[in-house]
Amino acid sequence: KAGVTQTPRYLIKTRGQQVTLSCSPISGHRSVSWYQQTPGQGLQFLFEYFSETQRNKGNFPGRFSGRQFSNSRSEMNVSTLELGDSALYLCASTSTGGPLGEQFFGPGTRLTVL
Amino acid sequence: DAKTTQPNSMESNEEEPVHLPCNHSTISGTDYIHWYRQLPSQGPEYVIHGLTSNVNNRMASLAIAEDRKSSTLILHRATLRDAAVYYCILRDSSGTYKYIFGTGTRLKVLA
Repeated sequence: KAGVTQTPRYLIKTRGQQVTLSCSPISGHRSVSWYQQTPGQGLQFLFEYFSETQRNKGNFPGRFSGRQFSNSRSEMNVSTLELGDSALYLCASTSTGGPLGEQFFGPGTRLTVL
Repeated sequence: DAKTTQPNSMESNEEEPVHLPCNHSTISGTDYIHWYRQLPSQGPEYVIHGLTSNVNNRMASLAIAEDRKSSTLILHRATLRDAAVYYCILRDSSGTYKYIFGTGTRLKVLA
């Protein structure tokens, strides 16, 4: 079974631009979560989608948004990029999204904002 | 949101057991305790989870205190491949299902 894939793996943008990151979950998984990882803040939860609906949202500004498609693939968008948005963005999928659901993480997208 | 507290780093000798502690004094009755680890240059991977009873799997054991305010991840025989950052996480089961990651413990395994 293929794992979680994220594209692109690396991205360089400049301040003010916007970016879209993509995540393909494991086949059959309906829940997709997004995280931001930085050296200073560690792993922070961005949002979770389950069956195309946002079920949870972390404490991030509205510049961070996401969506999930009917095939469970998910995208996250960051508008008006700031230097502080430079981070590793991780996507994780689970089969059900419940409290017992083991999350399978992708390798991440490394975003650098110049 | 309930939070977890872990030591920043720990060291262990290869082939010896490792006990990684986690405090979660504000845990609620519906929070599951999950452990993940993150190897260098990889996304986190699941290790183990539990609610009230101690749990064992092929990777590790999870010992949960009777009052559930702390837990310990036990690696029975550390190998060099176990060097990673270990995260203790509370997974809210009351409806939000959020994962709240702490800062994690960086485990160094000495040959």
